[in-house]
Amino acid sequence: AQSVAQPEDQVNVAEGNPLTVKCTYSVSGNPYLFWYVQYPNRGLQFLLKYITGDNLVKGSYGFEAEFNKSQTSFHLKKPSALVSDSALYFCAVRDSASGGSYIPTFGRGTSLIVHP
Amino acid sequence: DAGVIQSPRHEVTEMGQEVTLRCKPISGHDYLFWYRQTMMRGLELLIYFNNNVPIDDSGMPEDRFSAKMPNASFSTLKIQPSEPRDSAVYFCASRGGLGTQYFGPGTRLLVL
Repeated sequence: AQSVAQPEDQVNVAEGNPLTVKCTYSVSGNPYLFWYVQYPNRGLQFLLKYITGDNLVKGSYGFEAEFNKSQTSFHLKKPSALVSDSALYFCAVRDSASGGSYIPTFGRGTSLIVHP
Repeated sequence: DAGVIQSPRHEVTEMGQEVTLRCKPISGHDYLFWYRQTMMRGLELLIYFNNNVPIDDSGMPEDRFSAKMPNASFSTLKIQPSEPRDSAVYFCASRGGLGTQYFGPGTRLLVL
């Protein structure tokens, strides 16, 4: 079975400060991990993904995420937050194990609020 | 590519009416997904298709909901009859093989 958890419903950060949005996962095999962003009244937009290779993945809009196998985490980060980064962020996981679901499981989302 | 296209973008209807939501996936993608998003339940997978064939509809809430994919470029999600608790944002997404899912802009449904 695969599952993903976003432990924070909301993250508040001041503009210019670094931001982290947390995600932990559980899979039987190896994880395929994704981050999506949803701006108000819009669909989910793909930010970045980890399949294999370097643990630090760089994505759109200056975001990056670090895959940590021992902690089963895939936290989203940005060195300097912008007010325009305020949005809802979703983490998703897909299990690569044979027989596992190829359909990703999405977290409940974390609302990021960046204050001017 | 125009991305995943959904119509209508907004729908307001009265309880008991039939509602049809439409989706055009990205050309070449062989998976199509329908999701529902509400504040209470978050993002829920309703049904998905592979090569136009429904694979898993266990997320469809009731028999009032049905989905079809008559060809690779078109899918519909129908609610008949609609109820106020069906009010939500409905998303369509598509994917090529084991690649990344891409979402449409959503249809915001309000059932009065």
